[in-house]
Amino acid sequence: EVQLVESGGGLIQPGGSLRLSCAASGFAVSSYYMSWVRQAPGKGLEWVALVYTGGSTYIADSVKGRFTISRDNSKNTLYLQMNSLRAEDTAVYYCVRGTGPWGQGTLVTVSS
Amino acid sequence: DIQMTQSPSSLSASVGDRVTITCRASQGITSYLNWYQQKPGKAPNLLIYTASSLQSGIPSRFSGSGSGTDFTLTISSLQPEDSATYYCQQSYSTPHTFGQGTKLEIK
Repeated sequence: EVQLVESGGGLIQPGGSLRLSCAASGFAVSSYYMSWVRQAPGKGLEWVALVYTGGSTYIADSVKGRFTISRDNSKNTLYLQMNSLRAEDTAVYYCVRGTGPWGQGTLVTVSS
Repeated sequence: DIQMTQSPSSLSASVGDRVTITCRASQGITSYLNWYQQKPGKAPNLLIYTASSLQSGIPSRFSGSGSGTDFTLTISSLQPEDSATYYCQQSYSTPHTFGQGTKLEIK
């Protein structure tokens, strides 16, 4: 069964850093493009970052220079390193394999 | 970046109604258009990929059509469990932008 389980969210002060993890099972993360998508409270979906099978990465302009996407094929895990966090980064962060399935999400709250 | 515009933003319909949601891309995306359903507190769920391909396990009352810049999601006979927010997304080029969502309510 294909499964994605995110972790690493929590309450963080503005300017702080977090690393989100997405543990995959049932498939190899290296075999699909993988994305992070976020959803601020009460808002729509916002695409954040993507890594293609070949390793190319793309980051949304809204987080460029602060967020980095990566994967560890040996651990079959996707990551999102988030630095210089701002209040507007508060959201549920989802890991997605291609167009689906999606993980259950992990909540990041940036607040003092 | 490609902008995705959905309409309407919300709608209310009765059980058994035929419902159509539209999505327009700011430039051509061939058929790289996906539709998702999201219920409150849950992750989005893929309904349709590449504009018209029904994801496995999704009821056949859901269908998608279109290519280029104009796309539609149709629910042929609305059911109570279809109450949700629906999003389109283009996967033609990065960033893989989403529409703003359509909230569907059952009367």
